[in-house]
Amino acid sequence: DAGVIQSPRHEVTEMGQEVTLRCKPISGHDYLFWYRQTMMRGLELLIYFNNNVPIDDSGMPEDRFSAKMPNASFSTLKIQPSEPRDSAVYFCASRARDTEAFFGQGTRLTVV
Amino acid sequence: DQQVKQNSPSLSVQEGRISILNCDYTNSMFDYFLWYKKYPAEGPTFLISISSIKDKNEDGRFTVFLNKSAKHLSLHIVPSQPGDSAVYFCAATSPNFGNEKLTFGTGTRLTIIP
Repeated sequence: DAGVIQSPRHEVTEMGQEVTLRCKPISGHDYLFWYRQTMMRGLELLIYFNNNVPIDDSGMPEDRFSAKMPNASFSTLKIQPSEPRDSAVYFCASRARDTEAFFGQGTRLTVV
Repeated sequence: DQQVKQNSPSLSVQEGRISILNCDYTNSMFDYFLWYKKYPAEGPTFLISISSIKDKNEDGRFTVFLNKSAKHLSLHIVPSQPGDSAVYFCAATSPNFGNEKLTFGTGTRLTIIP
């Protein structure tokens, strides 16, 4: 398996634009997590899914953020409209019930 | 409110010596702890874990110690090697979260000096 695949690796966008981050989890993993990494707060959990169903979205900072998992092999994190303070590295991770979490390489988002 | 704290943002250690990375937590419900290692431009990778029923877990050069009364854990790397230079994240979880939701610290950047 190629591991957790995230796209794009880098995204630069202007304030107010919509941004969509994509994630393909490891096949057979039934949990999917979206994290955001910043210097001040480290790795923060934004939302996680179990069997494609959102379980806990309490970490989603604002209504501008939304996440979907239409099927077991794909998830998106959308920010609309984007703001400079959203600039961070966003990680997707997946796991099976009896494994640790495996992370993707991340998407570095810069909002100017 | 940072429930998992890594108070040292950075640490430098001579190659061959021991590296000790520290982590404190505030939530007494946490019962499973993990360390992840992160290289630049890569995602974090799992390194080692410990359950609250133990006070020590060892895996090769890596040992994690847990002191529940002090709400403190540490990662020891002996001997340190240049390839150990990375950012190390401490993480914790709780049965309240179904042991699914990890709470991470802010990370410690370890630099091994050749």
